[in-house]
Amino acid sequence: GAVVSQHPSRVICKSGTSVKIECRSLDFQATTMFWYRQFPKQSLMLMATSNEGSKATYEQGVEKDKFLINHASLTLSTLTVTSAHPEDSSFYICSASPGLNVETQYFGPGTRLLVL
Amino acid sequence: KQEVTQIPAALSVPEGENLVLNCSFTDSAIYNLQWFRQDPGKGLTSLLLIQSSQREQTSGRLNASLDKSSGRSTLYIAASQPGDSATYLCAVRPNDYKLSFGAGTTVTVRA
Repeated sequence: GAVVSQHPSRVICKSGTSVKIECRSLDFQATTMFWYRQFPKQSLMLMATSNEGSKATYEQGVEKDKFLINHASLTLSTLTVTSAHPEDSSFYICSASPGLNVETQYFGPGTRLLVL
Repeated sequence: KQEVTQIPAALSVPEGENLVLNCSFTDSAIYNLQWFRQDPGKGLTSLLLIQSSQREQTSGRLNASLDKSSGRSTLYIAASQPGDSATYLCAVRPNDYKLSFGAGTTVTVRA
């Protein structure tokens, strides 16, 4: 149990286009979902926290107008990278916490984004 | 701001040798500490979670210790196997829900 999926697993896009990444909790309801970014050889950095039905909370330095997060249901959160640039190329990982218990986070397999 | 450091950044050992991975953190006011495994291009798998009141946790060949006052945790992997090759991440949770991750130790176990 406690499986989190991400789609797509890899995406290549042209500079200036927008890319949407989906994060789904397959067998539990996730009141809270987290989005992380990981550059090569670096640690995961929390980008934002999303709660179902409300606006996401962004970490300092993360542009909310560039990284649009929608947590429309208890099993789905989406991250849209708008007007992507090569510096946005990274590994994006989501995690989900069941119910109100945010102590436990189940991580998705990640999405590799390459912006040309 | 919590800073998490993992040393060494990379480690290569022959099969059968014991592994010792270190994690240090700057703010000792943590709720818990967690060790994860990450395979190349993949997500994270939780290995062990140690609450702030605990000194260690064990699961099979894995043992993690926590010294909160000195801001250190160590992950021991006994009798390493090639399948243990991966990047191991340490993450601390302060009294809110946000995890602070180290950059990881990349382990290669040579057959």
